Amino acid sequence: AQTVTQSQPEMSVQEAETVTLSCTYDTSESDYYLFWYKQPPSRQMILVIRQEAYKQQNATENRFSVNFQKAAKSFSLKISDSQLGDAAMYFCAYRSGGGSNYKLTFGKGTLLTVNP
Amino acid sequence: EAQVTQNPRYLITVTGKKLTVTCSQNMNHEYMSWYRQDPGLGLRQIYYSMNVEVTDKGDVPEGYKVSRKEKRNFPLILESPSPNQTSLYFCASRSSGAGYNEQFFGPGTRLTVL
Repeated sequence: AQTVTQSQPEMSVQEAETVTLSCTYDTSESDYYLFWYKQPPSRQMILVIRQEAYKQQNATENRFSVNFQKAAKSFSLKISDSQLGDAAMYFCAYRSGGGSNYKLTFGKGTLLTVNP
Repeated sequence: EAQVTQNPRYLITVTGKKLTVTCSQNMNHEYMSWYRQDPGLGLRQIYYSMNVEVTDKGDVPEGYKVSRKEKRNFPLILESPSPNQTSLYFCASRSSGAGYNEQFFGPGTRLTVL
Protein backbone atom coordinates (compact mmCIF):
# COMPACT_ATOMS: atom_id res chain seq x y z
CA ALA A 1 0.00 0.00 0.00
CA GLN A 2 1.12 3.50 -0.69
CA THR A 3 2.01 5.82 2.16
CA VAL A 4 2.58 9.56 2.31
CA THR A 5 4.62 11.17 5.07
CA GLN A 6 4.73 14.82 6.03
CA SER A 7 7.33 15.18 8.74
CA GLN A 8 6.58 18.79 9.67
CA PRO A 9 3.34 19.13 11.66
CA GLU A 10 3.79 22.91 11.79
CA MET A 11 5.83 25.50 9.94
CA SER A 12 6.00 29.26 10.08
CA VAL A 13 7.29 31.86 7.66
CA GLN A 14 7.58 35.61 7.54
CA GLU A 15 5.48 37.42 5.02
CA ALA A 16 7.35 37.82 1.70
CA GLU A 17 9.80 35.06 2.58
CA THR A 18 10.09 31.58 1.10
CA VAL A 19 9.12 28.35 2.82
CA THR A 20 9.45 24.70 1.82
CA LEU A 21 7.10 21.98 3.01
CA SER A 22 8.37 18.42 2.90
CA CYS A 23 6.66 15.27 1.70
CA THR A 24 7.92 11.77 1.09
CA TYR A 25 5.97 8.84 -0.24
CA ASP A 26 6.35 5.15 -0.71
CA THR A 27 5.12 3.24 -3.72
CA SER A 28 6.14 0.43 -6.02
CA GLU A 29 4.20 1.90 -8.92
CA SER A 30 5.75 3.81 -11.79
CA ASP A 31 2.58 5.60 -12.92
CA TYR A 32 1.13 7.99 -10.38
CA TYR A 33 0.25 11.56 -9.54
CA LEU A 34 1.27 13.71 -6.61
CA PHE A 35 -0.64 16.68 -5.29
CA TRP A 36 -0.48 19.47 -2.79
CA TYR A 37 -3.79 20.61 -1.35
CA LYS A 38 -4.42 23.71 0.71
CA GLN A 39 -7.07 23.79 3.41
CA PRO A 40 -7.75 27.28 4.77
CA PRO A 41 -9.91 27.88 7.84
CA SER A 42 -12.99 27.57 5.61
CA ARG A 43 -12.05 23.85 5.43
CA GLN A 44 -12.43 23.79 1.64
CA MET A 45 -9.90 21.52 -0.09
CA ILE A 46 -8.09 23.53 -2.74
CA LEU A 47 -5.72 21.96 -5.24
CA VAL A 48 -2.47 23.93 -5.26
CA ILE A 49 -0.33 21.95 -7.66
CA ARG A 50 0.02 18.53 -9.20
CA GLN A 51 2.89 16.51 -10.61
CA GLU A 52 2.69 13.58 -13.00
CA ALA A 53 5.35 10.99 -12.17
CA TYR A 54 6.38 10.56 -15.81
CA LYS A 55 7.26 14.24 -16.12
CA GLN A 56 10.82 15.13 -15.19
CA GLN A 57 10.13 18.83 -15.11
CA ASN A 58 9.00 20.19 -11.77
CA ALA A 59 5.51 21.70 -11.77
CA THR A 60 5.04 25.38 -11.04
CA GLU A 61 1.95 27.48 -10.44
CA ASN A 62 2.73 31.14 -9.91
CA ARG A 63 4.39 31.39 -6.46
CA PHE A 64 4.11 27.65 -5.86
CA SER A 65 6.60 25.14 -7.16
CA VAL A 66 7.60 21.60 -6.34
CA ASN A 67 10.86 19.74 -6.11
CA PHE A 68 10.03 16.26 -7.37
CA GLN A 69 12.77 13.73 -6.73
CA LYS A 70 11.39 10.49 -8.10
CA ALA A 71 14.25 8.22 -7.09
CA ALA A 72 14.22 9.57 -3.55
CA LYS A 73 10.40 9.56 -3.51
CA SER A 74 10.34 13.12 -2.33
CA PHE A 75 7.86 15.83 -3.29
CA SER A 76 8.39 19.14 -1.52
CA LEU A 77 6.37 22.33 -2.00
CA LYS A 78 8.05 25.71 -2.16
CA ILE A 79 6.02 28.83 -1.55
CA SER A 80 7.77 32.00 -2.64
CA ASP A 81 6.90 35.53 -1.53
CA SER A 82 4.61 34.16 1.17
CA GLN A 83 1.37 36.02 1.73
CA LEU A 84 -0.96 36.13 4.71
CA GLY A 85 -3.53 34.27 2.62
CA ASP A 86 -1.16 31.33 2.32
CA ALA A 87 -1.74 30.48 5.97
CA ALA A 88 -3.49 27.12 5.95
CA MET A 89 -3.13 23.40 6.45
CA TYR A 90 -1.30 21.82 3.53
CA PHE A 91 -1.74 18.19 2.56
CA CYS A 92 0.47 16.15 0.29
CA ALA A 93 -1.43 13.42 -1.57
CA TYR A 94 -0.76 10.48 -3.86
CA ARG A 95 -2.94 8.87 -6.49
CA SER A 96 -2.16 5.82 -8.53
CA GLY A 97 -2.28 6.17 -12.28
CA GLY A 98 -3.27 2.56 -12.61
CA GLY A 99 -5.65 0.08 -11.05
CA SER A 100 -6.10 1.69 -7.64
CA ASN A 101 -6.69 5.17 -8.99
CA TYR A 102 -9.98 5.53 -7.20
CA LYS A 103 -8.49 7.04 -4.09
CA LEU A 104 -6.17 9.71 -2.82
CA THR A 105 -3.73 8.82 -0.06
CA PHE A 106 -3.01 11.83 2.11
CA GLY A 107 -0.25 12.80 4.46
CA LYS A 108 -1.11 14.04 7.93
CA GLY A 109 -0.74 17.65 6.98
CA THR A 110 1.47 20.64 7.75
CA LEU A 111 -0.02 23.71 9.38
CA LEU A 112 1.58 26.81 7.89
CA THR A 113 1.53 30.09 9.76
CA VAL A 114 2.47 33.31 7.97
CA ASN A 115 3.73 36.07 10.25
CA PRO A 116 3.26 39.71 9.21
CA GLU B 1 -21.29 25.70 -11.96
CA ALA B 2 -19.50 22.38 -11.53
CA GLN B 3 -19.69 21.39 -7.89
CA VAL B 4 -20.06 18.76 -5.22
CA THR B 5 -22.62 19.57 -2.56
CA GLN B 6 -22.98 18.05 0.88
CA ASN B 7 -25.74 18.35 3.44
CA PRO B 8 -25.85 19.10 6.22
CA ARG B 9 -22.73 21.20 6.68
CA TYR B 10 -22.90 20.87 10.45
CA LEU B 11 -24.57 18.21 12.55
CA ILE B 12 -24.64 17.48 16.26
CA THR B 13 -26.30 14.22 17.20
CA VAL B 14 -26.37 11.61 19.94
CA THR B 15 -24.96 8.12 20.07
CA GLY B 16 -27.10 5.58 18.24
CA LYS B 17 -29.34 7.95 16.30
CA LYS B 18 -29.18 7.04 12.63
CA LEU B 19 -28.14 9.76 10.26
CA THR B 20 -27.42 10.31 6.59
CA VAL B 21 -25.07 12.81 5.03
CA THR B 22 -25.98 13.50 1.44
CA CYS B 23 -23.56 14.12 -1.41
CA SER B 24 -24.45 15.19 -4.91
CA GLN B 25 -22.37 16.13 -7.96
CA ASN B 26 -23.49 17.76 -11.20
CA MET B 27 -20.57 16.74 -13.42
CA ASN B 28 -21.68 13.24 -14.44
CA HIS B 29 -18.64 11.79 -12.67
CA GLU B 30 -18.27 8.05 -12.33
CA TYR B 31 -15.98 8.02 -9.29
CA MET B 32 -17.20 9.22 -5.93
CA SER B 33 -15.63 8.85 -2.50
CA TRP B 34 -16.10 9.68 1.13
CA TYR B 35 -13.20 10.75 3.32
CA ARG B 36 -12.96 11.62 6.98
CA GLN B 37 -10.46 14.10 8.35
CA ASP B 38 -9.17 13.87 11.89
CA PRO B 39 -6.49 16.01 13.57
CA GLY B 40 -3.05 14.52 13.09
CA LEU B 41 -4.34 11.83 10.74
CA GLY B 42 -5.04 13.68 7.51
CA LEU B 43 -7.86 12.47 5.27
CA ARG B 44 -8.68 8.80 5.04
CA GLN B 45 -11.00 7.14 2.55
CA ILE B 46 -14.13 5.56 4.01
CA TYR B 47 -15.90 4.19 0.93
CA TYR B 48 -15.75 4.72 -2.77
CA SER B 49 -17.93 4.06 -5.78
CA MET B 50 -16.79 3.52 -9.33
CA ASN B 51 -20.27 3.84 -10.81
CA VAL B 52 -23.95 3.21 -10.11
CA GLU B 53 -24.42 0.16 -7.89
CA VAL B 54 -20.64 -0.35 -7.62
CA THR B 55 -19.25 0.48 -4.19
CA ASP B 56 -16.38 -0.79 -2.10
CA LYS B 57 -14.65 -0.24 1.23
CA GLY B 58 -11.85 2.22 1.65
CA ASP B 59 -9.39 2.30 4.50
CA VAL B 60 -11.76 3.04 7.39
CA PRO B 61 -15.22 1.65 6.54
CA GLU B 62 -16.29 0.38 9.97
CA GLY B 63 -19.53 1.92 11.16
CA TYR B 64 -20.49 3.38 7.78
CA LYS B 65 -22.67 2.40 4.86
CA VAL B 66 -23.07 3.90 1.42
CA SER B 67 -25.28 3.47 -1.61
CA ARG B 68 -25.08 4.58 -5.22
CA LYS B 69 -28.49 4.27 -6.80
CA GLU B 70 -28.06 7.28 -9.03
CA LYS B 71 -24.90 8.51 -10.64
CA ARG B 72 -25.10 11.97 -9.10
CA ASN B 73 -25.75 10.93 -5.47
CA PHE B 74 -23.60 9.08 -2.97
CA PRO B 75 -25.03 9.28 0.55
CA LEU B 76 -23.06 8.29 3.65
CA ILE B 77 -25.10 6.47 6.27
CA LEU B 78 -24.23 6.08 9.93
CA GLU B 79 -26.73 3.60 11.30
CA SER B 80 -25.60 3.81 14.91
CA PRO B 81 -23.20 6.71 15.31
CA SER B 82 -20.62 6.64 18.08
CA PRO B 83 -18.43 9.41 19.51
CA ASN B 84 -15.39 8.10 17.61
CA GLN B 85 -17.16 9.07 14.40
CA THR B 86 -16.97 12.72 15.37
CA SER B 87 -15.03 14.09 12.44
CA LEU B 88 -14.97 16.29 9.37
CA TYR B 89 -16.33 14.46 6.34
CA PHE B 90 -15.65 15.17 2.70
CA CYS B 91 -17.33 13.83 -0.39
CA ALA B 92 -15.33 13.89 -3.61
CA SER B 93 -15.88 13.02 -7.23
CA ARG B 94 -14.01 12.81 -10.50
CA SER B 95 -14.28 11.40 -13.96
CA SER B 96 -12.92 7.91 -14.58
CA GLY B 97 -11.44 8.80 -17.96
CA ALA B 98 -7.85 7.97 -18.89
CA GLY B 99 -5.12 10.26 -17.69
CA TYR B 100 -5.42 13.00 -15.15
CA ASN B 101 -8.89 14.03 -14.07
CA GLU B 102 -9.35 16.68 -11.43
CA GLN B 103 -10.81 15.60 -8.12
CA PHE B 104 -13.62 17.84 -6.87
CA PHE B 105 -14.32 18.06 -3.16
CA GLY B 106 -17.48 19.03 -1.38
CA PRO B 107 -17.37 21.74 1.29
CA GLY B 108 -17.24 19.27 4.17
CA THR B 109 -19.63 18.20 6.91
CA ARG B 110 -18.66 18.71 10.53
CA LEU B 111 -20.23 15.90 12.57
CA THR B 112 -20.27 15.74 16.34
CA VAL B 113 -21.59 12.63 18.07
CA LEU B 114 -22.31 13.09 21.78
